Formats: sequence, C-alpha cells, structure tokens
Amino acid sequence: DIQMTQSPSSVSASVGDTVTITCRASQGANRWLAWYQQKPGKAPKLLIYQASSLQSGVPSRFSGSGSGTDFTLTISSLQPEDSATYYCQQASGLPYTFGQGTKLEIK
Amino acid sequence: QVQLQESGPGLAKPSETLSLTCTLSGGSINNYYWSWIRQPPGKGLEWIGYISYSGDSIYNPSLRRRATISLDTSKNQFSLRLSSVTAADTAVYYCARTYTGASDIWGQGTLVTVSS
Repeated sequence: DIQMTQSPSSVSASVGDTVTITCRASQGANRWLAWYQQKPGKAPKLLIYQASSLQSGVPSRFSGSGSGTDFTLTISSLQPEDSATYYCQQASGLPYTFGQGTKLEIK
Repeated sequence: QVQLQESGPGLAKPSETLSLTCTLSGGSINNYYWSWIRQPPGKGLEWIGYISYSGDSIYNPSLRRRATISLDTSKNQFSLRLSSVTAADTAVYYCARTYTGASDIWGQGTLVTVSS
C-alpha cells in the first residue's frame, strides 16, 4: 500500500493568513492526488483532484501542487468557514489510501 | 442535482453481516466508479472498495475478503456487504461517486455500530 503522511497534524491560523498543508507519499503517486475538507458531522468535500485541479464550486483561495511523492494544499486569505480537517488521498495505486488528516483551527 | 443516500441498519451483531445500500438520484450510474469509504468515530478515512458501472469491483485487502460490493443499475443503487463484523468495524459508512480516483459526490454517511 502507498502510505500517505500529512503534516502538520494540526495548525492554528488567523483570518486572512495563508496556510500550507503537506502530504508525502511512500512511493510515487504521479499526480493522482486529491484533497478533501471535512467539517464535524459532515461528509468529506472534494477540493482538489489530480494534484492541482480545482473542483467546481470550490473557492479559488484553495490551490494544490506537487507530483510524485510530495504534494501541498495551500489555503490563502483564510476565512472562518475554513475551520475543518483536511485529508489527502492517493489514487495511483490500489488500495486508495488517505492521509491521517490535518485539523485547521481559525483563531 | 446528483445525490447519494445510504440506508441500512444502524446496529450489527458481532460475527454477523453488515448490509448497506446507496441510492443515486439525479444522475446515472454510467461512466463512474461507486465507492464505499468508512470512518471510525474520531478517526480518519478508510477506503473499502469500489465497483465500476460495468460491475467490476476492487477491494481493500485490509478487509481480508470480507467485503462485497454489488450494483443494481435498474434501481440506481449499489450495496455493501461486510461479513464477520467485529467492534473494529464500527464506523460511519459513506458511499461516494468516484471519477479519475477522486470522489466528488458523497452520501451523508450512516453510523453502523457493532455490538451484541
């Protein structure tokens, strides 16, 4: 299995800040990487697919980059509603695997 | 708009089989993969498997062949059966539409508790 490691596990930032979350794959995932946002009691929401493609309807302050083993999710101009847990997921190899999550708190 | 809705018992007994159904509305089964993903309380996400619109299925080996996903195109439904459940299978179970490896439409999730 491809192991996905996210960092940091949690982060606290203020409205207007920029936050970067990283995801490292234990082996190359090409660009088969997705990012999700999950709020308490809700299903995950797709933000980014194929490493850098913005899902329809997602604000442009969310962006993704990377390929191979190292990927990043950047959230610029943080808003209060961005408080959530963020997960990466690789789809390069089976089984699909998720990172352990990064909890973002808005101060 | 495309929506998914999970249904099934919220309680299963140890060693029995958990059965859930996901109903698609506002869209077609064709041209997508249909996934099951679970999340134990307070923990992260685990991919269970998917079935293609043509009926081919792939599973997470971690489930040791206990999972079966089936498709009923006439009802726009797909289902999950998980056999020999234990307390470790207690989780919120999500169904999702998957395309090029990413799941863009999710059901609201259903909590299944395994307990005697």
